[in-house]
Formats: sequence, structure tokens, C-alpha cells
Amino acid sequence: SQTIHQWPATLVQPVGSPLSLECTVEGTSNPNLYWYRQAAGRGLQLLFYSVGIGQISSEVPQNLSASRPQDRQFILSSKKLLLSDSGFYLCAWAGQGFSPLHFGNGTRLTVT
Amino acid sequence: AQTVTQSQPEMSVQEAETVTLSCTYDTSESNYYLFWYKQPPSRQMILVIRQEAYKQQNATENRFSVNFQKAAKSFSLKISDSQLGDTAMYFCALNQRSNKLIFGTGTLLAVQP
Repeated sequence: SQTIHQWPATLVQPVGSPLSLECTVEGTSNPNLYWYRQAAGRGLQLLFYSVGIGQISSEVPQNLSASRPQDRQFILSSKKLLLSDSGFYLCAWAGQGFSPLHFGNGTRLTVT
Repeated sequence: AQTVTQSQPEMSVQEAETVTLSCTYDTSESNYYLFWYKQPPSRQMILVIRQEAYKQQNATENRFSVNFQKAAKSFSLKISDSQLGDTAMYFCALNQRSNKLIFGTGTLLAVQP
């Protein structure tokens, strides 16, 4: 069966520090991968998605970037965090076509 | 533009009662999928139910069912025999050809004992 791992679960970082959140998927190949952000416990905003290694689409201009160095690895990064980067970050994967998204457990990021 | 609208920020229901959560969407595509996700206090996103636009029959999963009105672009979720464990944020989502899910802003459902 397929599983998705996302870490860390919680992170507190000072303004201006770098960020690296990692997500890996097991049990499937060539998944579509996604990073979402959920601010203030409300809606989910799509940040990045990837349909293959090295292929990244950005949905919202921002202080963050994403990379997909391996087929089942998706990384969310920032060189210098802003206060506004605080939020709950969710990684997800989906198969091809109209597949539903399967989410990781999320990372709660607090920028102080 | 593709949009998903959930006009009920919060709802409350008594245990064992039935509740319906509303969702409307806008898309220019003829084929797409609609989903309802549940996010309990643990914040884990859980798929509740899915509906393909080409299927006229409304999807059902145990106590959860949908009322899909394609012409009206409406996709409501009905929860029967509500249980305390149904307390969660519920998100409606649209998946089009691009396979990017667009989410609504959510409805916070509280099941009262």
C-alpha cells in the first residue's frame, strides 16, 4: 500500500532563517506531488505541484521554492523565512488522471 | 476561473441527526471530479467521498452521501446519524484535467452530544 511521510511535524524558526520540509512517498511510482499551505485553520492554498522529477509548477509567487530531486521526494524550501510564512504545510500525492489527493500529516511552522 | 465556494463557515448538529453541507463550484470543463475531505482536530486530511461529473448517480459511503446537481454546479454533502467523531472541518474540492485540486474555504461542523 502507498504511504506518505512528511517531517518535521512541528517547527519553530526565527525570521531570516532557512527552511527545509521534506516529503516522501512509498508504494507508488511517478506520483504527482503537491505542497499546500493552510493559514489560520481555514482553506488550503496550493503552493507547488510536480508531475515528474525536476518539474515544478508554482502557483503563488512567494518566498518559498520546491524541488523534486527523486521520483518520490518533494522538498519545500526557503532561504530566508518571513513572519508571513507561518502556517500549516501539507504535502500530498496523487496518481494520474482524476485521482484523489492523499495527504501527509502536515508540518506546523511558526516563524518568530 | 475555477472556484469552489462553501458558504457555511460553521454548522452545528445534534448527535444522531442529519446535516447537509453546501458547496458550489465553477468550471468550464465537461469532465471533472468532486471530493469532500474531512479534517478533524488532528489536522489529518481524510478523503470522505468522491463524485465523477459524468456519473448521474449520487455517490454514497456509509453515512455520507452527496447531492450532485451538475447543471446548478452544486455538490452538497449529507451526513446521516451524526456522530461525535464527525466533528471536523469539511472541505469541498474540485479536480479538473490538470489534476490540481482546488479547495473551498471549509465548513466547521460541530456535533453536539
